Amino acid sequence: EVQLVQSGAEVKKPGESLKISCKASGYRFSSYWIGWVRQMPGKGLEWMGIIYPDDSDTVYSPSFQGQVAISADRSISTAYLQWSSLKASDTAMYYCARHESPHKQRDALDVWGQGTMVTVSS
Amino acid sequence: EIVMTQSPATLSVSPGERATLSCRASQSVSTNLAWYRQKPGQAPRLLIYGASTRATGIPARFSGSGSETEFTLTISSLQSEDFAVYYCQQYNNWPSWYTFGQGTKLEIK
Repeated sequence: EVQLVQSGAEVKKPGESLKISCKASGYRFSSYWIGWVRQMPGKGLEWMGIIYPDDSDTVYSPSFQGQVAISADRSISTAYLQWSSLKASDTAMYYCARHESPHKQRDALDVWGQGTMVTVSS
Repeated sequence: EIVMTQSPATLSVSPGERATLSCRASQSVSTNLAWYRQKPGQAPRLLIYGASTRATGIPARFSGSGSETEFTLTISSLQSEDFAVYYCQQYNNWPSWYTFGQGTKLEIK
């Protein structure tokens, strides 16, 4: 079974760093683009960026460029989303999701993680 | 940036009836358009990709149509599990970024 399992909920203070994870199973991790999507409380979906684990090629939305870092470790089939200095406005649910076809750049997101809730509050 | 605009924001329909949701792109996205359903407290689920291809396991009551800038999701006979929020997403703008619409909430009339 193809699965993406995300790390658990986090509560952090402004200015702290954070790295959340998304572990893949049931498919060849290196061959599929994997992306991150933000959903702020009560709001819609925002596409943040994607990474191709085979060579770590990464594309960011301008809204998130420089604010987060997306990475992947092929050896443990895990993608990451990282912040160096959190803000209260980073409070949201974060989903990882995989492209539907291998190697394909223009593609929909067919397998989703369960989400990681990040709360940033002093 | 390609802006995706969904209409209406909220749609009230009775169970068993047909629902038609719209999505408009600010510039052509060819048929690189997907639809997702998100139930409360759950991750989104892919329904349609390539504007009209149903994803694995999606029932035939869901159909997608359109190309370039105008797209439609039709649910032919609404079931209880269909009352949720629906998002469209373009994935044409490579190597730039992709965008979602703001969502349509489908509620029970």
